Amino acid sequence: DGGITQSPKYLFRKEGQNVTLSCEQNLNHDAMYWYRQDPGQGLRLIYYSQIVNDFQKGDIAEGYSVSREKKESFPLTVTSAQKNPTAFYLCASGPRAGELFFGEGSRLTVL
Amino acid sequence: AQKITQTQPGMFVQEKEAVTLDCTYDTSDQSYGLFWYKQPSSGEMIFLIYQGSYDQQNATEGRYSLNFQKARKSANLVISASQLGDSAMYFCAMRVRNQGGKLIFGQGTELSVKP
Repeated sequence: DGGITQSPKYLFRKEGQNVTLSCEQNLNHDAMYWYRQDPGQGLRLIYYSQIVNDFQKGDIAEGYSVSREKKESFPLTVTSAQKNPTAFYLCASGPRAGELFFGEGSRLTVL
Repeated sequence: AQKITQTQPGMFVQEKEAVTLDCTYDTSDQSYGLFWYKQPSSGEMIFLIYQGSYDQQNATEGRYSLNFQKARKSANLVISASQLGDSAMYFCAMRVRNQGGKLIFGQGTELSVKP
C-alpha cells in the first residue's frame, strides 16, 4: 500500500545523544516535511524539502538536521543542541497542491 | 505573514447534533488552500476537507462541510450529526503556493462528543 512510514514509533534518548528519525514515502511526492508537536499544541515546521538534495529551514530548525539524498527518504536528526527535544514528530509528503499526507508519528522522550 | 487562528481550545457537542469549529486565516497571497485535519488520541493526522481560494462553492465531504467566507478570511468546519468517534483534536491549516507548499497550522480545537 502507498503511504508514509515513520520509525521508530517510540524512542528514548539520553541527554547529549543524537538520534535519527526515519521517514520513507512511496507516494512519488517531490515535497517532504518534518513537523514537531508539543502536548496540546499545533504543529510547527522544522524542515522541508521540495526536491532531492535540497531542503529549507522551517520555523524551529535550531538543533535539528536533515538530508534528502533520495526522493523517498527524508530522515531527521535531533542533535544534542536541541535543548528540549521531547515531543511528537510527524513527517509528511505531498504534491504541489492539495493535502499533505502524514505518517503515524514518532514520539521522542529524553530521559 | 501567514497565520491560522483557532479561538476555541475546547468544544462540547451532544451526539447527533451539529457543531461548528472556527478558523480564521491571514495571508496576502491570492492563491492558497485551506484544510481541516482530525487528530485522534493515537496521533495520526487524518485529512478531512479542502477548500481552494478560488473555489466558488463551499466544500463538502460526507458529514463535513467548510463554511468559506473569503472576505472575512474565515474557514469554519461544520460537522453534522456528531458521532462519539468524532471526539478528537481538529486542526485548521493553510497551504500557500508561494511558500514551498508547507502547511501552516492553527493551535487546534479539542472536540468532545457527549452520549
